[in-house]
Parts: sequence; C-alpha cells; structure tokens
Amino acid sequence: GAVVSQHPSRVICKSGTSVKIECRSLDFQATTMFWYRQFPKQSLMLMATSNEGSKATYEQGVEKDKFLINHASLTLSTLTVTSAHPEDSSFYICSARGSEGNEQFFGPGTRLTVL
Amino acid sequence: AQSVTQLDSQVPVFEEAPVELRCNYSSSVSVYLFWYVQYPNQGLQLLLKYLSGSTLVKGINGFEAEFNKSQTSFHLRKPSVHISDTAEYFCAVSGHDYKLSFGAGTTVTVRA
Repeated sequence: GAVVSQHPSRVICKSGTSVKIECRSLDFQATTMFWYRQFPKQSLMLMATSNEGSKATYEQGVEKDKFLINHASLTLSTLTVTSAHPEDSSFYICSARGSEGNEQFFGPGTRLTVL
Repeated sequence: AQSVTQLDSQVPVFEEAPVELRCNYSSSVSVYLFWYVQYPNQGLQLLLKYLSGSTLVKGINGFEAEFNKSQTSFHLRKPSVHISDTAEYFCAVSGHDYKLSFGAGTTVTVRA
C-alpha cells in the first residue's frame, strides 16, 4: 500500500524558534496533502489542505502566517511552525492523496513539544 | 459541511467478545465514510471505507461496518476481539472535496 513518512517523529524546541516538519509520499505522487493537529485524547482537526504548486487552503481559525505550508513537489509537503509557543505543542499528522481515489494515506505523526 | 458523532467515548470489552462502535454522521450531500484505528503515538490506519455499492463493508483485521442511509449511521463491528485491538478508533466522513471530518474517537480497551 501507499506509504507516507514524516520527519522528525519527535521534536523539542525552545519558545520563539521555528520548527519544520516534512511529509513525504514514498511510493506515489500526492496531488493533495493534508495537515492535521491532534491534542491529547482528542480527535484530529484539519489545519490546511495543500495542492502541489499552489497555495495552501487553511481551515477557519488556523493562522496561515503561523503555520506555513509548502507543497513544492508531488512527493513533499512541509509544515513550518513559526515562533513556536508552548500552546503549539501537539501531535501533527499529515496525509496524502493521489490523483485518483478517495483515500488519504496518513503519516506516523510528529510530536512537537515547545518549552 | 459534514459532521460525525461517535456515541461511545470508551468501550471496555473482554477478549473474544464482540464489539460494536457507533457512528452517526450528518451531511447535506452524498458522502464517503471511513473507520480508522490509531495506536498510541502513531498515525492512522484505515480499517475500511464505504464509497458506494454494498452497504456492508468488510475491512482488515476482521472488522466490518454497515452503512445505513436512513439512519445516517456507519457502525463498526467485530465478532471477536483480541488484546491487540486495544486502540483508538475514529469514524470519519468526507464529501467530494476529500476533506475528512473526524468523530471524537472511541477508546477500545480489551481485557483478558
């Protein structure tokens, strides 16, 4: 099946720094990638949708200047959390969808802890 | 827009007993329905999906779900659970924009 990887799996950073998370589709071309955020014991909340070569579409309430998304190629999307603060600490999960089909394939997630 | 309600936040069950996880959705358009499983500190794994056709959908690990349009439900079932089925289960719905809306999740704890 289709495989999606995320890097890093865990990151700890100081408040005020920026963190970049990579999401890669390893064996298929992802025309659309999605970024989710999950707080402990809670569900996944969609943050944004990115299509290769175009600007990401952010969900209501998600700051686009805070969470920068780049989808530069058909196999790579990045999420940069700028000027991170402790309230940004969360589990970030990406998913990818190919040009056909309705299924999203999920990455293993990135645990971000901001001190 | 679509939304999902998972009626049970926690479901304790004994090993080899059956389990049912309830999911109801609301949508003004035709939808696609999914069940995902999440193990601790991991991403989501697709258990099964309903896109069209037969309302009874069989998935991996012995799970199945039935789409009921009149009741707007998509309940997940397994006739006999294992300890390894202990996990978080999410029901999700999407429209033709492929955006997923997730339910709050159901924690299944299987005890010996």
